[in-house]
Amino acid sequence: RKEVEQDPGPFNVPEGATVAFNCTYSNSASQSFFWYRQDCRKEPKLLMSVYSSGNEDGRFTAQLNRASQYISLLIRDSKLSDSATYLCVVKRGNEKLTFGTGTRLTIIP
Amino acid sequence: ETGVTQTPRHLVMGMTNKKSLKCEQHLGHNAMYWYKQSAKKPLELMFVYSLEERVENNSVPSRFSPECPNSSHLFLHLHTLQPEDSALYLCASSQDPLSHNEQFFGPGTRLTVL
Repeated sequence: RKEVEQDPGPFNVPEGATVAFNCTYSNSASQSFFWYRQDCRKEPKLLMSVYSSGNEDGRFTAQLNRASQYISLLIRDSKLSDSATYLCVVKRGNEKLTFGTGTRLTIIP
Repeated sequence: ETGVTQTPRHLVMGMTNKKSLKCEQHLGHNAMYWYKQSAKKPLELMFVYSLEERVENNSVPSRFSPECPNSSHLFLHLHTLQPEDSALYLCASSQDPLSHNEQFFGPGTRLTVL
Protein backbone atom coordinates (compact mmCIF):
# COMPACT_ATOMS: atom_id res chain seq x y z
CA ARG A 1 0.00 0.00 0.00
CA LYS A 2 1.30 3.47 -0.88
CA GLU A 3 2.15 5.76 2.03
CA VAL A 4 0.02 8.55 0.58
CA GLU A 5 -2.76 7.82 -1.91
CA GLN A 6 -4.65 10.26 -4.04
CA ASP A 7 -7.09 9.91 -6.92
CA PRO A 8 -4.96 11.08 -9.86
CA GLY A 9 -7.97 12.48 -11.73
CA PRO A 10 -8.18 14.33 -13.95
CA PHE A 11 -11.07 16.27 -12.48
CA ASN A 12 -12.70 18.52 -15.09
CA VAL A 13 -14.94 20.97 -13.28
CA PRO A 14 -16.94 23.96 -14.59
CA GLU A 15 -15.95 27.39 -13.36
CA GLY A 16 -17.81 28.37 -10.23
CA ALA A 17 -18.38 24.81 -9.05
CA THR A 18 -17.21 23.27 -5.79
CA VAL A 19 -14.68 20.47 -5.96
CA ALA A 20 -13.29 18.21 -3.25
CA PHE A 21 -10.24 15.95 -3.16
CA ASN A 22 -9.43 13.27 -0.65
CA CYS A 23 -6.12 11.78 0.30
CA THR A 24 -5.42 8.79 2.53
CA TYR A 25 -2.23 8.01 4.41
CA SER A 26 -1.07 4.68 5.72
CA ASN A 27 1.05 5.57 8.74
CA SER A 28 -0.98 6.42 11.81
CA ALA A 29 2.09 8.07 13.36
CA SER A 30 1.96 10.86 10.77
CA GLN A 31 1.78 14.23 12.47
CA SER A 32 1.90 17.01 9.90
CA PHE A 33 -0.19 17.39 6.79
CA PHE A 34 -0.09 19.78 3.88
CA TRP A 35 -1.55 20.52 0.50
CA TYR A 36 0.89 21.71 -2.15
CA ARG A 37 -0.09 23.02 -5.55
CA GLN A 38 1.93 22.38 -8.72
CA ASP A 39 1.11 24.24 -11.91
CA CYS A 40 1.96 22.66 -15.24
CA ARG A 41 5.75 22.59 -15.75
CA LYS A 42 6.31 24.55 -12.54
CA GLU A 43 7.55 23.70 -9.07
CA PRO A 44 5.31 22.69 -6.14
CA LYS A 45 4.27 25.48 -3.77
CA LEU A 46 2.64 25.21 -0.38
CA LEU A 47 -1.10 25.88 -0.60
CA MET A 48 -1.97 25.31 3.04
CA SER A 49 -1.13 23.29 6.10
CA VAL A 50 -3.87 21.04 7.49
CA TYR A 51 -4.69 21.29 11.17
CA SER A 52 -6.61 18.86 13.35
CA SER A 53 -9.44 21.30 13.82
CA GLY A 54 -9.70 21.97 10.10
CA ASN A 55 -8.76 25.29 8.56
CA GLU A 56 -9.96 27.65 5.90
CA ASP A 57 -8.16 30.11 3.66
CA GLY A 58 -10.54 32.05 1.46
CA ARG A 59 -12.19 29.60 -0.93
CA PHE A 60 -10.07 26.70 0.30
CA THR A 61 -10.94 24.45 3.24
CA ALA A 62 -8.73 21.63 4.52
CA GLN A 63 -9.90 18.91 6.88
CA LEU A 64 -8.10 16.12 8.71
CA ASN A 65 -9.69 12.91 9.93
CA ARG A 66 -7.13 11.08 12.03
CA ALA A 67 -9.40 8.15 12.84
CA SER A 68 -9.89 7.34 9.17
CA GLN A 69 -6.46 8.62 8.16
CA TYR A 70 -7.60 10.93 5.43
CA ILE A 71 -7.19 14.56 4.49
CA SER A 72 -9.49 16.54 2.29
CA LEU A 73 -9.32 19.78 0.32
CA LEU A 74 -12.45 21.66 -0.71
CA ILE A 75 -12.36 24.44 -3.27
CA ARG A 76 -15.45 26.63 -3.51
CA ASP A 77 -16.41 28.93 -6.39
CA SER A 78 -13.60 27.50 -8.51
CA LYS A 79 -11.65 29.83 -10.80
CA LEU A 80 -9.79 29.11 -14.02
CA SER A 81 -6.58 29.87 -12.15
CA ASP A 82 -7.25 26.94 -9.80
CA SER A 83 -6.29 24.54 -12.60
CA ALA A 84 -3.23 22.69 -11.31
CA THR A 85 -2.12 19.45 -9.71
CA TYR A 86 -2.79 19.26 -5.97
CA LEU A 87 -0.28 17.27 -3.95
CA CYS A 88 -1.14 15.74 -0.61
CA VAL A 89 1.90 15.72 1.68
CA VAL A 90 2.39 13.97 5.00
CA LYS A 91 5.19 14.16 7.53
CA ARG A 92 5.91 11.81 10.41
CA GLY A 93 7.68 13.46 13.32
CA ASN A 94 11.08 14.70 12.27
CA GLU A 95 11.17 12.59 9.15
CA LYS A 96 10.97 13.55 5.52
CA LEU A 97 7.93 14.86 3.67
CA THR A 98 6.07 12.10 1.82
CA PHE A 99 4.21 13.21 -1.29
CA GLY A 100 1.22 11.72 -3.03
CA THR A 101 1.18 11.47 -6.82
CA GLY A 102 -1.17 14.44 -7.03
CA THR A 103 -4.69 15.08 -8.28
CA ARG A 104 -4.98 16.98 -11.52
CA LEU A 105 -7.71 19.60 -11.67
CA THR A 106 -8.86 21.47 -14.77
CA ILE A 107 -11.44 24.24 -14.44
CA ILE A 108 -13.51 24.61 -17.59
CA PRO A 109 -14.84 28.04 -18.62
CA GLU B 1 16.28 37.44 -6.37
CA THR B 2 13.77 34.62 -6.36
CA GLY B 3 13.94 32.26 -3.38
CA VAL B 4 15.42 29.11 -4.93
CA THR B 5 17.08 29.06 -8.33
CA GLN B 6 18.26 26.13 -10.38
CA THR B 7 20.46 25.86 -13.46
CA PRO B 8 20.28 24.64 -16.09
CA ARG B 9 16.50 24.52 -16.59
CA HIS B 10 16.83 21.88 -19.30
CA LEU B 11 19.60 19.37 -19.91
CA VAL B 12 20.04 16.66 -22.52
CA MET B 13 22.95 14.31 -22.00
CA GLY B 14 24.27 11.03 -23.26
CA MET B 15 24.89 8.07 -21.00
CA THR B 16 28.64 8.64 -21.00
CA ASN B 17 28.53 12.35 -20.18
CA LYS B 18 29.28 14.04 -16.89
CA LYS B 19 27.20 17.06 -15.94
CA SER B 20 26.23 18.98 -12.81
CA LEU B 21 22.99 20.55 -11.65
CA LYS B 22 23.21 23.66 -9.52
CA CYS B 23 20.83 25.00 -6.90
CA GLU B 24 21.06 28.25 -4.94
CA GLN B 25 18.77 29.51 -2.20
CA HIS B 26 18.52 33.14 -1.12
CA LEU B 27 16.26 32.55 1.89
CA GLY B 28 18.80 32.04 4.64
CA HIS B 29 17.64 28.47 5.15
CA ASN B 30 19.73 25.76 6.76
CA ALA B 31 18.40 22.69 4.96
CA MET B 32 18.48 21.82 1.27
CA TYR B 33 17.04 18.88 -0.62
CA TRP B 34 17.19 17.12 -3.97
CA TYR B 35 14.02 15.47 -5.26
CA LYS B 36 13.29 13.49 -8.42
CA GLN B 37 9.88 13.82 -10.08
CA SER B 38 9.00 11.28 -12.76
CA ALA B 39 5.75 11.14 -14.68
CA LYS B 40 2.87 9.65 -12.70
CA LYS B 41 5.06 9.05 -9.66
CA PRO B 42 5.23 10.97 -6.39
CA LEU B 43 8.18 13.20 -5.67
CA GLU B 44 11.07 11.03 -4.48
CA LEU B 45 13.44 12.49 -1.93
CA MET B 46 17.05 11.82 -2.93
CA PHE B 47 19.25 13.74 -0.50
CA VAL B 48 18.93 16.07 2.48
CA TYR B 49 21.60 18.45 3.68
CA SER B 50 21.46 20.29 6.98
CA LEU B 51 24.08 22.95 7.61
CA GLU B 52 26.15 21.52 4.74
CA GLU B 53 26.13 18.04 6.22
CA ARG B 54 24.33 15.20 4.44
CA VAL B 55 21.70 13.86 6.80
CA GLU B 56 19.79 11.59 4.46
CA ASN B 57 20.58 9.54 1.40
CA ASN B 58 17.57 7.60 0.18
CA SER B 59 19.34 4.65 -1.45
CA VAL B 60 20.23 6.73 -4.48
CA PRO B 61 22.58 5.10 -7.05
CA SER B 62 26.15 6.29 -6.91
CA ARG B 63 25.88 7.78 -10.40
CA PHE B 64 24.21 10.69 -8.55
CA SER B 65 26.67 12.53 -6.32
CA PRO B 66 25.55 15.54 -4.25
CA GLU B 67 27.76 18.33 -3.00
CA CYS B 68 26.91 21.11 -0.57
CA PRO B 69 29.83 23.57 -0.31
CA ASN B 70 27.87 26.01 1.88
CA SER B 71 24.35 26.46 3.18
CA SER B 72 23.25 28.42 0.11
CA HIS B 73 24.47 26.14 -2.65
CA LEU B 74 23.74 22.55 -3.58
CA PHE B 75 25.01 20.59 -6.55
CA LEU B 76 24.06 17.25 -8.05
CA HIS B 77 26.86 15.71 -10.08
CA LEU B 78 25.73 13.24 -12.73
CA HIS B 79 27.78 10.57 -14.50
CA THR B 80 27.00 7.50 -16.57
CA LEU B 81 23.28 8.00 -16.22
CA GLN B 82 20.62 5.69 -17.66
CA PRO B 83 17.60 6.65 -19.79
CA GLU B 84 15.31 5.86 -16.83
CA ASP B 85 17.02 8.72 -14.95
CA SER B 86 15.23 11.16 -17.24
CA ALA B 87 12.99 13.24 -14.97
CA LEU B 88 12.47 16.64 -13.39
CA TYR B 89 15.04 17.25 -10.64
CA LEU B 90 13.82 19.66 -8.02
CA CYS B 91 15.85 21.41 -5.38
CA ALA B 92 14.16 22.68 -2.23
CA SER B 93 15.13 24.46 0.96
CA SER B 94 13.61 24.92 4.40
CA GLN B 95 14.54 26.56 7.66
CA ASP B 96 15.70 23.19 8.98
CA PRO B 97 14.91 19.55 8.14
CA LEU B 98 13.39 18.63 11.49
CA SER B 99 10.70 21.24 11.86
CA HIS B 100 7.36 21.44 10.15
CA ASN B 101 8.40 24.47 8.15
CA GLU B 102 7.37 24.85 4.54
CA GLN B 103 9.77 23.69 1.86
CA PHE B 104 10.42 26.12 -0.97
CA PHE B 105 11.13 24.55 -4.34
CA GLY B 106 13.21 25.75 -7.25
CA PRO B 107 11.84 25.59 -10.80
CA GLY B 108 13.62 22.31 -11.48
CA THR B 109 15.96 20.96 -14.14
CA ARG B 110 14.28 18.81 -16.76
CA LEU B 111 16.81 16.12 -17.58
CA THR B 112 16.73 13.87 -20.63
CA VAL B 113 19.23 11.02 -20.87
CA LEU B 114 19.67 9.63 -24.37
